[in-house]
Amino acid sequence: DVKVTQSSRYLVKRTGEKVFLECVQDMDHENMFWYRQDPGLGLRLIYFSYDVKMKEKGDIPEGYSVSREKKERFSLILESASTNQTSMYLCASSLSGGGLTGELFFGEGSRLTVL
Amino acid sequence: GENVEQHPSTLSVQEGDSAVIKCTYSDSASNYFPWYKQELGKRPQLIIDIRSNVGEKKDQRIAVTLNKTAKHFSLHITETQPEDSAVYFCAATSGNTPLVFGKGTRLSVIA
Repeated sequence: DVKVTQSSRYLVKRTGEKVFLECVQDMDHENMFWYRQDPGLGLRLIYFSYDVKMKEKGDIPEGYSVSREKKERFSLILESASTNQTSMYLCASSLSGGGLTGELFFGEGSRLTVL
Repeated sequence: GENVEQHPSTLSVQEGDSAVIKCTYSDSASNYFPWYKQELGKRPQLIIDIRSNVGEKKDQRIAVTLNKTAKHFSLHITETQPEDSAVYFCAATSGNTPLVFGKGTRLSVIA
């Protein structure tokens, strides 16, 4: 079974803090993604990566950055957290065969509250 | 870029009835259309997908249809059961860019 593990299920941070969300997958997937899930807005792509040290902006990258130093690990960074970044963050991975049409395997999510 | 619209946003059906969720997409180059199910408190999981070279695909009580001319695709669930209650997301991609998801449909199956 593919396993995508997100380091924290629940986090509470203060405005202005730097926040790191970590994601690790154990199936040697090339592609990794960070989504944000908000009620009524669905899943919105923040950043994705198709290889080590490669990153591409998604639909809502503002206020976020990412790091992929190893194939299995993809980190989402909030340089200075703001209250409008309170949300559920979902990491996902997929194989690269077939381009970006591979099945997405999601982590369980990290619910971030910024006070 | 691609834009995916999904309707309805909420849907309630009696147990045993059918449920239909519809999506439209904007990019005629899109050729892969998956559906993900997210149960309460759980991660989204792929339940069925369809590629543009077929018009319909079935898996037990679940089917997906695709109309490329009209640029819409639908999820059909027959003989609904309480465990079908979840949020369902449609998505589309051409394969060169990541999936674009619809906003989701919350399906409630009433026993």
